[in-house]
Amino acid sequence: SQKIEQNSEALNIQEGKTATLTCNYTNYSPAYLQWYRQDPGRGPVFLLLIRENEKEKRKERLKVTFDTTLKQSLFHITASQPADSATYLCARGGGGSQGNLIFGKGTKLSVKP
Amino acid sequence: NAGVTQTPKFQVLKTGQSMTLQCAQDMNHEYMSWYRQDPGMGLRLIHYSVGAGITDQGEVPNGYNVSRSTTEDFPLRLLSAAPSQTSVYFCASRGGSDTQYFGPGTRLTVL
Repeated sequence: SQKIEQNSEALNIQEGKTATLTCNYTNYSPAYLQWYRQDPGRGPVFLLLIRENEKEKRKERLKVTFDTTLKQSLFHITASQPADSATYLCARGGGGSQGNLIFGKGTKLSVKP
Repeated sequence: NAGVTQTPKFQVLKTGQSMTLQCAQDMNHEYMSWYRQDPGMGLRLIHYSVGAGITDQGEVPNGYNVSRSTTEDFPLRLLSAAPSQTSVYFCASRGGSDTQYFGPGTRLTVL
């Protein structure tokens, strides 16, 4: 079955550094991968989508990559700030079943001042 | 636009009680879905709908019913609540961009 694995439950970094979060998928490459941010007590908020034929996508301080050889997506936050502290979710989609998303368990990022 | 709204925010039920979690969106999205989120399990799809009158099961549908009589509303019904249904429930909708918009969630406790 298709799976999404976010191997790190938590990541602690110092303010100003680059945070790198990893998302691995199994079986065939999805048509796209998505990244969401979730704050405590709130619903996930969409951040970025990267399609299978795209190597990299950027949005302000965010960068996401899609490596079909490694079956992996990396999510980077440059010049991280304490306000970036949240749980980040990776999701795969674009397959059958109307493009339903399959989510990873998330990585909790803590940025210390 | 209010986006995706959910009511109630919190609910406590006794085992065997029934209730309906409400979800509404004002973005005219055809696709809507319900997820549950449990510690260490991530978001799991319960049911989804690709338009009014069309619903289908997700990964964990047992114990839940849905209907979609309008584009805007997608209620989730718990027929006979069980402690295993204690969770946080999120409704989401999706437009043409493949992006999902989530509601604020309903935290349900079943005693």
